[in-house]
Amino acid sequence: DVKVTQSSRYLVKRTGEKVFLECVQDMDHENMFWYRQDPGLGLRLIYFSYDVKMKEKGDIPEGYSVSREKKERFSLILESASTNQTSMYLCASRLTFTEAFFGQGTRLTVV
Amino acid sequence: ELKVEQNPLFLSMQEGKNYTIYCNYSTTSDRLYWYRQDPGKSLESLFVLLSNGAVKQEGRLMASLDTKARLSTLHITAAVHDLSATYFCAVYYDKIIFGKGTRLHILP
Repeated sequence: DVKVTQSSRYLVKRTGEKVFLECVQDMDHENMFWYRQDPGLGLRLIYFSYDVKMKEKGDIPEGYSVSREKKERFSLILESASTNQTSMYLCASRLTFTEAFFGQGTRLTVV
Repeated sequence: ELKVEQNPLFLSMQEGKNYTIYCNYSTTSDRLYWYRQDPGKSLESLFVLLSNGAVKQEGRLMASLDTKARLSTLHITAAVHDLSATYFCAVYYDKIIFGKGTRLHILP
């Protein structure tokens, strides 16, 4: 079975902190994605990556950056956390043209 | 602009009834996926629809795809409480675009 693992289920951070969300997949997938999920807004794509060291902006990249130094790991970085970044963050991975597999999600609260 | 629209966004129904969730998308694609999400959980893949006219069924759920109309449907037959969840459709281009989800609440 494909496994996508996010480093934390729950995270509480202070405004202005730099926050790292880690995602690791074990199936050698080329593509990885970061979404945030908010009530009434569905899943919104933040960033995605086709391959190591490659990244593309999604629909809401402002305030975020990403890093993909190894194929299996895709990190989301909040440069200076703000309260409006309180959300559920979901990582996903897939081979090109196949279904995506999701991690368990990280619920981030910024206080 | 790539758009995926689901309706309804919220559906409350009685057990034993039938209903359909609709998913419209704005740009041609021959790949559509349905996911289920339980409260507090992540997304689980339900169906993969890869061509025009594709139909997939599992238990009381049946999904279909009409690429010419840019429409997919998720039909629920004789609903049971265990099907209560949020259902998302997603269209694949170079990235994955999700609908906003349909929150389904089935009353016993």
